[in-house]
Amino acid sequence: EAGVAQSPRYKIIEKRQSVAFWCNPISGHATLYWYQQILGQGPKLLIQFQNNGVVDDSQLPKDRFSAERLKGVDSTLKIQPAKLEDSAVYLCASSFRGGARLNTEAFFGQGTRLTVV
Amino acid sequence: AQSVTQLGSHVSVSEGALVLLRCNYSSSVPPYLFWYVQYPNQGLQLLLKYTSAATLVKGINGFEAEFKKSETSFHLTKPSAHMSDAAEYFCAVRSSGGGADGLTFGKGTHLIIQP
Repeated sequence: EAGVAQSPRYKIIEKRQSVAFWCNPISGHATLYWYQQILGQGPKLLIQFQNNGVVDDSQLPKDRFSAERLKGVDSTLKIQPAKLEDSAVYLCASSFRGGARLNTEAFFGQGTRLTVV
Repeated sequence: AQSVTQLGSHVSVSEGALVLLRCNYSSSVPPYLFWYVQYPNQGLQLLLKYTSAATLVKGINGFEAEFKKSETSFHLTKPSAHMSDAAEYFCAVRSSGGGADGLTFGKGTHLIIQP
């Protein structure tokens, strides 16, 4: 079974530039998450999709971050314009949304390491 | 709001010694708790999860954790550390409400194995 695919693995941009990250979840997984992991901290949820609808984006800085999952499969996370404090690893995760969803495992991709200079 | 506290940002043990990584949670409802491991430049891998079926949970790679409601704890243990266990470990609690079920993570504990 293929895992969660993310690209690119690394990205270096200057502040005020824009950047986009791509994620392809495990086939059949209806739920997709984007997390931000700043160095030395645990991942923080940015946004959760159920199919192509947003379930939770309460921690997404909407003035500069946006995300979409138009066809309910792969997803794109965008930052525009980037700030120095956006330097982090951006992790995508997916899970199969069954009836007992709260104990369902989330599978993580390898992440995209963003450096803003 | 739910939260997780991991005591000790770094833990160092000798190879073959007991591993104990501490996690305390705060939750107003019965929690769903997870331990994940992260190797350098990798994503997170599930070690084990507590789902109320049993208080002692066994996971992969010889790890286990015990849920103690009275202490609001979910500490991770392994009887004998191996060099390959060196990694970052995260405790997480799953939130719920309105369909939102994202994980809330602790800050992580870096496990160092001394030869």
